[in-house]
Amino acid sequence: EADIYQTPRYLVIGTGKKITLECSQTMGHDKMYWYQQDPGMELHLIHYSYGVNSTEKGDLSSESTVSRIRTEHFPLTLESARPSHTSQYLCASSEQAGTGELFFGEGSRLTVL
Amino acid sequence: KNQVEQSPQSLIILEGKNCTLQCNYTVSPFSNLRWYKQDTGRGPVSLTIMTFSENTKSNGRYTATLDADTKQSSLHITASQLSDSASYICVVSDRGSTLGRLYFGRGTQLTVWP
Repeated sequence: EADIYQTPRYLVIGTGKKITLECSQTMGHDKMYWYQQDPGMELHLIHYSYGVNSTEKGDLSSESTVSRIRTEHFPLTLESARPSHTSQYLCASSEQAGTGELFFGEGSRLTVL
Repeated sequence: KNQVEQSPQSLIILEGKNCTLQCNYTVSPFSNLRWYKQDTGRGPVSLTIMTFSENTKSNGRYTATLDADTKQSSLHITASQLSDSASYICVVSDRGSTLGRLYFGRGTQLTVWP
């Protein structure tokens, strides 16, 4: 059982609202990731972090931002949500970058009206 | 271009039957290949990892194979159960850099009927 938690699990909000998706892990992993997943499509990396105060953009361009002030916490923020941001957001962590096993949270399903 | 292709896209089988899912990749240089199971509304969970030197690895009723020469992997599920209904995702890691990079397939959606 992976010790990585995401909140909220489901969120429905109106256009223009600011939202923060929370992600916390208790495994002490330095590496953390945010993926976006749409039905029938592969996971796309939107942000990653290899440690405190380290954040990088992933392969898929995203208007969201992330922060890593504490090892266990990796929140994702959208300053002004739009319907195009509707998607499933998955947070993950790993002991090793790239080749290591990813431990995923249960996901946050975001719907922007 | 590094890619991971999975087939079939979806599959329906009866409980108790066996099935095989396929993963073809073009990722190079290859580091390892993992199969993940993703239940509906949940995050993916790793089932097996295959490295270059491994041909077969089992995890209960799941058996993964790897042919590094043809760049193909398969996941065989024996005596399927209703709880096997899920998306199965193939993920290939390269070793082109010290950090590595992951390439995801789109998954095979398996439905097991009673």
